[in-house]
Amino acid sequence: DIEMTQSPSSLSASVGDIITITCRSSRNVHNYVNWYQQKPGKAPKLLVHTASSLQSGVPSRFSGSGSGTDFSLTITGLQPEDFATYYCQQSYSNPPLTFGGGTRVEIK
Amino acid sequence: EVQLVQSGAEVKKPGESLKISCEGSGYSFTTYWIAWVRQMPGKGLEWMGIIYPRDSDTRYSPSFQGQVTISADTSLRSAYLEWSSLNFSDTATYFCARSKAAGGNYLDSWGQGTLVAVSS
Repeated sequence: DIEMTQSPSSLSASVGDIITITCRSSRNVHNYVNWYQQKPGKAPKLLVHTASSLQSGVPSRFSGSGSGTDFSLTITGLQPEDFATYYCQQSYSNPPLTFGGGTRVEIK
Repeated sequence: EVQLVQSGAEVKKPGESLKISCEGSGYSFTTYWIAWVRQMPGKGLEWMGIIYPRDSDTRYSPSFQGQVTISADTSLRSAYLEWSSLNFSDTATYFCARSKAAGGNYLDSWGQGTLVAVSS
């Protein structure tokens, strides 16, 4: 299986901050990485697919980048509704389409 | 509007069987794959497997192969996740989600989740 290693596992930030979450795959997954946001008690929501394509309806403060084995999700200008847990996922090797361990973004 | 609506929470005993469902609406059910994702209490997401309802082509994660059965019924626009004998460790929330392809794609719409609690 391809392993997805996310960092940090948690971070504290303030409204308006710029934050970056990184994800490293154990093998080359080209640009087949997606990012999801999950709030407590809710289903995950797709934010970015294929490394850098913003899903329809997702605010432009979210952006994704990377290829090969190193990927990142950046939130430029953190908003109160952005405090959540974020997951990366590789969709290159199927099965399984593995998720990273998650990054919890908390209010400082 | 695309919707995936899952069956309600379940409380079961170890050794019991269970089948939970995921009904799709607002899109062509037979042209999208349906994946199942597990989330154990306080933990991350785990991809379990995926099915193409049109022909029932099914792929399982090695971690879940033989532990669960994924199926679909196009006439009911529903996908299913089934256990023949539950363990305490099956306690989790299970999500279904749709994808345009088995690989090289993404989960763009999710069900609300089904909580399965296994307790004696």
